[in-house]
Amino acid sequence: AQSVTQLDSQVPVFEEAPVELRCNYSSSVSVYLFWYVQYPNQGLQLLLKYLSGSTLVKGINGFEAEFNKSQTSFHLRKPSVHISDTAEYFCAVSVYNQGGKLIFGQGTELSVKP
Amino acid sequence: GAGVSQSPSNKVTEKGKDVELRCDPISGHTALYWYRQSLGQGLEFLIYFQGNSAPDKSGLPSDRFSAERTGGSVSTLTIQRTQQEDSAVYLCASSSRVQETQYFGPGTRLLVL
Repeated sequence: AQSVTQLDSQVPVFEEAPVELRCNYSSSVSVYLFWYVQYPNQGLQLLLKYLSGSTLVKGINGFEAEFNKSQTSFHLRKPSVHISDTAEYFCAVSVYNQGGKLIFGQGTELSVKP
Repeated sequence: GAGVSQSPSNKVTEKGKDVELRCDPISGHTALYWYRQSLGQGLEFLIYFQGNSAPDKSGLPSDRFSAERTGGSVSTLTIQRTQQEDSAVYLCASSSRVQETQYFGPGTRLLVL
C-alpha cells in the first residue's frame, strides 16, 4: 500500500525567509506526485505535479519541488515567502495505472509572520 | 469557465438521518472523485468514476456510503443512517481524464448532531 508522510505538521516562518516543506512517500510501484494548497476557508488548489521527466518541478506562486527517487521524497520549496502564502499544504501521490485517486499526507500548516 | 460546484455548502443533520451531497463536475470531465476531509483522518479518498466504467469504491468506509453518477455528469454521494463520526468536509474533484489534474470543489461541510 502507498502512504505519504509530511514530516512537519506546522512550519512558522518570517516573511521573505526561505521555506521547505518535507514530504516522503512509500510505494513499491511507480507514482505520480503532487502538492496542493488550501487557503483558509477555500478549496484545494494544485501547486505543482511530477509525472515524469525533469526531477525539478516548478509550480505556481514561485514554488518548486524536487523528486528524489532514491530517498522517496518530494520536498516543496520557496526561496522567499509572503504573508499570502499562509495556508495548509498537502503532498499527495497517485499510483500509475490505478485510476488517479490521490493519497494525501496529513498536511503542513505554513504560517508566515511579518 | 465554471469550476466544480457542490451543494449544499453546509448540512446539519441528526444522527440516524440520511443525507445526499451533490457534485457538478467541470463540463466535459470524464473522471470524478469524492474525498473526505476530517480532523482525525485528514484527506481520504472515497470513490471515483471514470466514464462508463465500474466505479472504484475501495475508499468507502462502510456500506452506509454509496454514490452514483448519472449521465456521466452530476454525482450524488449518499450517507445512510448518519453517525457523528461522519461529520467532515466532503470534497468532489473532476479531471479531464484519469491521471490529469484534479480540480476540487469548495466542499460540503456535514455536521451530524
